[in-house]
Amino acid sequence: DVKVTQSSRYLVKRTGEKVFLECVQDMDHENMFWYRQDPGLGLRLIYFSYDVKMKEKGDIPEGYSVSREKKERFSLILESASTNQTSMYLCASSVAGTVLVNEQYFGPGTRLTVT
Amino acid sequence: AQSVTQLDSHVSVSEGTPVLLRCNYSSSYSPSLFWYVQHPNKGLQLLLKYTSAATLVKGINGFEAEFKKSETSFHLTKPSAHMSDAAEYFCVVSEVRNSGAGSYQLTFGKGTKLSVIP
Repeated sequence: DVKVTQSSRYLVKRTGEKVFLECVQDMDHENMFWYRQDPGLGLRLIYFSYDVKMKEKGDIPEGYSVSREKKERFSLILESASTNQTSMYLCASSVAGTVLVNEQYFGPGTRLTVT
Repeated sequence: AQSVTQLDSHVSVSEGTPVLLRCNYSSSYSPSLFWYVQHPNKGLQLLLKYTSAATLVKGINGFEAEFKKSETSFHLTKPSAHMSDAAEYFCVVSEVRNSGAGSYQLTFGKGTKLSVIP
């Protein structure tokens, strides 16, 4: 089974802190994604990566950056956390190729609270 | 541009009765469509997907969905609800982006919370 793990289930940080969210997948998937999930808004794509060191902005990249140094690991970075970044963050991965038909596999999520 | 509208934010059914979760989409191209489920404190799990083959798609746990191009709909159904079906359900549309190497756009609906009454 595909497994996507996220480094923390719950995280509390202070305003202005630099925050790292880590995601690891064990199925050699080319594509990896970071979403945030907010009540009533569904999931919104922050960034995604289709190869090591490659990244592309999603719909809401402002205030975030990402790093993909190894194929299995995709990090989301909040350079200076703000209270409006309090949210659930979900990581996902998928194989490359015919991306239109490939499902994404999700991690359990990290609930981040910024105070 | 593509979009997804889940017509109900919350649906409540009695155990053993049918489930209908409604989804309408708009897309410039021929999309792929998915339904995902999220149980409390869990990640999302794929229920089923439509990829331009059969218009009636069967998924896990007895769920199915029918792609109707004329109505731009992809409603999720199940003949008989079970307590374990209580969760949040997301309708998702996928199509190729105009930019980026091999990139595509995945758009999620806002979700429908399904409650099942004993």
